[in-house]
Amino acid sequence: GQQVMQIPQYQHVQEGEDFTTYCNSSTTLSNIQWYKQRPGGHPVFLIQLVKSGEVKKQKRLTFQFGEAKKNSSLHITATQTTDVGTYFCAGKGTGNQFYFGTGTSLTVIP
Amino acid sequence: DAGVIQSPRHEVTEMGQEVTLRCKPISGHDYLFWYRQTMMRGLELLIYFNNNVPIDDSGMPEDRFSAKMPNASFSTLKIQPSEPRDSAVYFCASSLAALYNEQFFGPGTRLTVL
Repeated sequence: GQQVMQIPQYQHVQEGEDFTTYCNSSTTLSNIQWYKQRPGGHPVFLIQLVKSGEVKKQKRLTFQFGEAKKNSSLHITATQTTDVGTYFCAGKGTGNQFYFGTGTSLTVIP
Repeated sequence: DAGVIQSPRHEVTEMGQEVTLRCKPISGHDYLFWYRQTMMRGLELLIYFNNNVPIDDSGMPEDRFSAKMPNASFSTLKIQPSEPRDSAVYFCASSLAALYNEQFFGPGTRLTVL
């Protein structure tokens, strides 16, 4: 079946360092969404990318959708303690299925 | 807007008991999703509805799990009989107009089966 994997699974960074998580699908996705889940909380939508090669920015966050629409990345510049949480990618594959990635847990050390 | 509402927030039950989780989606949203989250398996989509009709239930683990959506403002996820391996956080989410639109998650129900 279709799988959406994210790497790394865990990442510890010093506050101020950059962070990147990568999302890879075994098949082509119609779109890619990114969600953030704070510890003890629920996933919260960050952004959606639809077009091949699309790049979007939200302040210190940069999101990219691959040319083949099978991979995506989220880059955070100069991390802050408020960035702590787990970042999930998600997307619609062929048919009616919708998949969440395995998630990357980010810890920011003050 | 109150957002997606789930109840109960916490449930502790004994193996073999029936468990019913409840969800009220955001008014006007026509897609409703049920997810299960565990450390081992991450966030899994169990089932989703469009206009109260189940569209894809391929993620439902087995016959012990069932979900209904009798109207646009209410859905239930039932586990009967429950087992310890069902212990997880169950999230309900809703979205508007398309499968690939932004999903709004509820606070979740933390289920513990002893």
